[in-house]
Amino acid sequence: GAVVSQHPSRVICKSGTSVKIECRSLDFQATTMFWYRQFPKQSLMLMATSNEGSKATYEQGVEKDKFLINHASLTLSTLTVTSAHPEDSSFYICSSDSLANYGYTFGSGTRLTVV
Amino acid sequence: GQQLNQSPQSMFIQEGEDVSMNCTSSSIFNTWLWYKQDPGEGPVLLIALYKAGELTSNGRLTAQFGITRKDSFLNISASIPSDVGIYFCAGQRGTQGGSEKLVFGKGTKLTVNP
Repeated sequence: GAVVSQHPSRVICKSGTSVKIECRSLDFQATTMFWYRQFPKQSLMLMATSNEGSKATYEQGVEKDKFLINHASLTLSTLTVTSAHPEDSSFYICSSDSLANYGYTFGSGTRLTVV
Repeated sequence: GQQLNQSPQSMFIQEGEDVSMNCTSSSIFNTWLWYKQDPGEGPVLLIALYKAGELTSNGRLTAQFGITRKDSFLNISASIPSDVGIYFCAGQRGTQGGSEKLVFGKGTKLTVNP
């Protein structure tokens, strides 16, 4: 089945540093990748939608200069949290569609802790 | 952003009992999806529904796409301890194969007592 591999699974970084999260589609071409963040005991909140070869579309209230998204190939999309602060600590999850899967496949998530 | 109205928020049941949860919306969705999320993991797709009135099963799970296209329910029969987790409904306004964003419910946390 369709698999989205997300790395790292957890990361701890210092305030002010940047962190890159990668999502790879292993057995299908991910034209579109969705990036979510999830706070404890809450639902998934869409941050941005990226399409291969074009600029990402950000949801209202999400800072595009802080959450840099790159979708340079059909199998790789990255989210970089720049100048991270403690309030950026959250669970970040990517998701892509796979026509064969008839649904959206999610990565396993990245637990980011900013200290 | 918009969210679907998902209920109940949490459920505590005994092993072997049946479970039912539902999602409603004030607007129409053409695709309904049900996911399960374990702690520290991404959601895993359980059932996808693409036609109004559609009733689909996946093992002990059964889900239906409401005829009005504004609601869906998920039933779990004969619950077992590994059913523990958070269940999310998600709606998409596009049709099957589209790459439109999903709208999520707030989730139903299921606890199964052995």
